[in-house]
Amino acid sequence: DQQVKQNSPSLSVQEGRISILNCDYTNSMFDYFLWYKKYPAEGPTFLISISSIKDKNEDGRFTVFLNKSAKHLSLHIVPSQPGDSAVYFCAASARTGFQKLVFGTGTRLLVSP
Amino acid sequence: NAGVTQTPKFRILKIGQSMTLQCTQDMNHNYMYWYRQDPGMGLKLIYYSVGAGITDKGEVPNGYNVSRSTTEDFPLRLELAAPSQTSVYFCASSAGGRSGANVLTFGAGSRLTVL
Repeated sequence: DQQVKQNSPSLSVQEGRISILNCDYTNSMFDYFLWYKKYPAEGPTFLISISSIKDKNEDGRFTVFLNKSAKHLSLHIVPSQPGDSAVYFCAASARTGFQKLVFGTGTRLLVSP
Repeated sequence: NAGVTQTPKFRILKIGQSMTLQCTQDMNHNYMYWYRQDPGMGLKLIYYSVGAGITDKGEVPNGYNVSRSTTEDFPLRLELAAPSQTSVYFCASSAGGRSGANVLTFGAGSRLTVL
């Protein structure tokens, strides 16, 4: 029962262009959504989050969009840089009870010069 | 500022052996977690703790045990290692609480192979 899904295992983008990473969820109780970035041989690091009361959150080159009716969120990276090449995980949590994070399977982003 | 420190980084075990993965954090976080990541899969929660003396099972607890005697330390014990436990293990911590996003800080991971 995969409650958080990232259907694209990989994405290739040229430097300077936009990267769009997608995530779908099934649990309507989720009210916080987070993106983590992971480099090889390192732990995931927090990138950006969004609350279910918002539909957009921006932090520099990174913007997360949330469409609650479609149970879909996306991460936009503009402009993409080679240093953005990493695996990106979408995660979600519900405020009721313990805020366990449920992770997607990840999307490997490759930004080529 | 070390954050979350895991040891060892790599370990090879024989089937049936036991070992403990160590995790310590210096951020005075109440919440601590153990996740495992298998190839092509997301992170699965093994066990978590909301404070010293309190632990609870996550999605995939079978074959593992934890303890939380201090705020800083959250060791993960593997008893009778099996090939299915070959994975990368991540320890994480967070301040927790009911307001805002629960942002986890992860360690660098421990790669375990069971042969």
